[in-house]
Amino acid sequence: DAGVIQSPRHEVTEMGQEVTLRCKPISGHDYLFWYRQTMMRGLELLIYFNNNVPIDDSGMPEDRFSAKMPNASFSTLKIQPSEPRDSAVYFCASRTGPSGGGNEQFFGPGTRLTVL
Amino acid sequence: GENVEQHPSTLSVQEGDSAVIKCTYSDSASNYFPWYKQELGKGPQLIIDIRSNVGEKKDQRIAVTLNKTAKHFSLHITETQPEDSAVYFCAASGVYKYIFGTGTRLKVLA
Repeated sequence: DAGVIQSPRHEVTEMGQEVTLRCKPISGHDYLFWYRQTMMRGLELLIYFNNNVPIDDSGMPEDRFSAKMPNASFSTLKIQPSEPRDSAVYFCASRTGPSGGGNEQFFGPGTRLTVL
Repeated sequence: GENVEQHPSTLSVQEGDSAVIKCTYSDSASNYFPWYKQELGKGPQLIIDIRSNVGEKKDQRIAVTLNKTAKHFSLHITETQPEDSAVYFCAASGVYKYIFGTGTRLKVLA
């Protein structure tokens, strides 16, 4: 398997623009997680899905952030409108459910977002 | 709220020496404790994990210990090598959510 795939790897945009980050989880994984990493706040969980349904979005910072998972192989994280303080590395991770036997979350390579 | 404290934030050791990173968690319901290594420009990668019913686990040069009563767990790397240089994160997990520590930047000096 190719692992968790994220695109784009780098995104530079101007304040006020819409940004869409994309993630393809590992095939067969039932859970998908979106994280944000900054120097100040470390790795923060934004939202996670189980079988394409959002389970916990308590980490989503504001209404400007939204996430969807239209099917088992694709998820998006959208920021509209973007602000300079959204600049961070955004990671997607996936894992199997309890029947899969493991607890490990597998991380993608991340998307480095810069909002000017 | 749930919290994981990690120390030290930076650690420099001579090649061949040992490195120890310590974490403390707050949620007594946590039962799974992974350690991730993050190299520059990459996503975190699991290096070792431990469940709450185990006190110690070892994998070659890496070991993790857990004291559930004190809510402490530690990562031990022996015979460090330059390629061990990276940022290491601990995490505590209940059902599915990870709460990560703030990370330790380890530098192994040749």
